[in-house]
Amino acid sequence: GAVVSQHPSWVICKSGTSVKIECRSLDFQATTMFWYRQFPKQSLMLMATSNEGSKATYEQGVEKDKFLINHASLTLSTLTVTSAHPEDSSFYICSARDPWRGLAGELFFGEGSRLTVL
Amino acid sequence: AQRVTQPEKLLSVFKGAPVELKCNYSYSGSPELFWYVQYSRQRLQLLLRHISRESIKGFTADLNKGETSFHLKKPFAQEEDSAMYYCAPRRAGGFKTIFGAGTRLFVKA
Repeated sequence: GAVVSQHPSWVICKSGTSVKIECRSLDFQATTMFWYRQFPKQSLMLMATSNEGSKATYEQGVEKDKFLINHASLTLSTLTVTSAHPEDSSFYICSARDPWRGLAGELFFGEGSRLTVL
Repeated sequence: AQRVTQPEKLLSVFKGAPVELKCNYSYSGSPELFWYVQYSRQRLQLLLRHISRESIKGFTADLNKGETSFHLKKPFAQEEDSAMYYCAPRRAGGFKTIFGAGTRLFVKA
């Protein structure tokens, strides 16, 4: 299957700093990527849809100035958590769809990035 | 409003027993339904999708539009089926996928 890679897989930062998480599609071009957030023992919550070459579409309740998304190329989307605070600590997961793999719209997921804000 | 409900947080069965993981959805239009699975220490991956009408690893799921359900079933559970299972609807022709709360399946020896 298609491979999606996230980096870093684990990051610890001080409160007030910004952290960037990268999501790459390694063997396909992804015009659309999705960023999810997962709290411990809870489901994935969709944060935003990242569109290559245009602005991201944020879900209701997600602060776009807090979670900056850039999708500058067909294989890379970045999520920057700005001025991070302890409540931003979470597991962030990206996913992408390969538009050439049939009509089913299967999502391919990254391994996730665990952010801990001290 | 778009909503997907997986009523069971945890389902524990013995090896060889039948298993059914429930999923009900409330979605405008005719959504496409998926089941994703996450095994221990692995990333989330697709298990099956309703439009394919396929059986993957012995699992099947039938979309019941009348009951707005998409329950996942397997007649004989195996220990390696132990994982977290998520029901995930998507608007037909759209891209955005939402996820249910998930059901943790534990298959005992």
